[in-house]
Amino acid sequence: NAGVTQTPKFQVLKTGQSMTLQCAQDMNHNSMYWYRQDPGMGLRLIYYSASEGTTDKGEVPNGYNVSRLNKREFSLRLESAAPSQTSVYFCASSEWDAGGTDTQYFGPGTRLTVL
Amino acid sequence: QKEVEQNSGPLSVPEGAIASLNCTYSDRGSQSFFWYRQYSGKSPELIMFIYSNGDKEDGRFTAQLNKASQYVSLLIRDSQPSDSATYLCAVISKGTNDYKLSFGAGTTVTVRA
Repeated sequence: NAGVTQTPKFQVLKTGQSMTLQCAQDMNHNSMYWYRQDPGMGLRLIYYSASEGTTDKGEVPNGYNVSRLNKREFSLRLESAAPSQTSVYFCASSEWDAGGTDTQYFGPGTRLTVL
Repeated sequence: QKEVEQNSGPLSVPEGAIASLNCTYSDRGSQSFFWYRQYSGKSPELIMFIYSNGDKEDGRFTAQLNKASQYVSLLIRDSQPSDSATYLCAVISKGTNDYKLSFGAGTTVTVRA
């Protein structure tokens, strides 16, 4: 099993350009997430999808859109990139277990620089 | 006030010593508590979770939870250079319609040989 995969691993954009970050998981999880991680800020939730067909805003959704393409895939789109979106982006998936807890499994991350 | 707070460190400990990491959270109704380890340039990975008051041990790691004080800690015994990483505390609390997972900013640990 590959777990959670993300593409691309690195990307440099110019201000105003658009791009889509791809994420896929093979663990049959219902929930998927997009986070950004900035120095001193920890992981901040951008958007999440509790199940196929649903998406919800997280803590920092402005400037982003998402698509839950199917149960496996959850993409993040930047329509008009800004330097403030320079960050490391992590995709994660999870499933509530019988013990009533929810463990997140993270992809390797995408390091995005916006010039 | 941040929902989950950690000392950013860096926390420097000698090899073989105990590293003690602390985390406080603001939502008294929080239910589950996690410690993730993140090596530099890598993604976070779960090392422990706890949801009952008291201690939970797993190898050299012990998580301690005190819900009355809204405090969760992680002890790393016999610290090794391979434990040098950033440790993220995460807390699940119940929102209006669903559950919410919040992360602290992380504590960087350096184990010196």
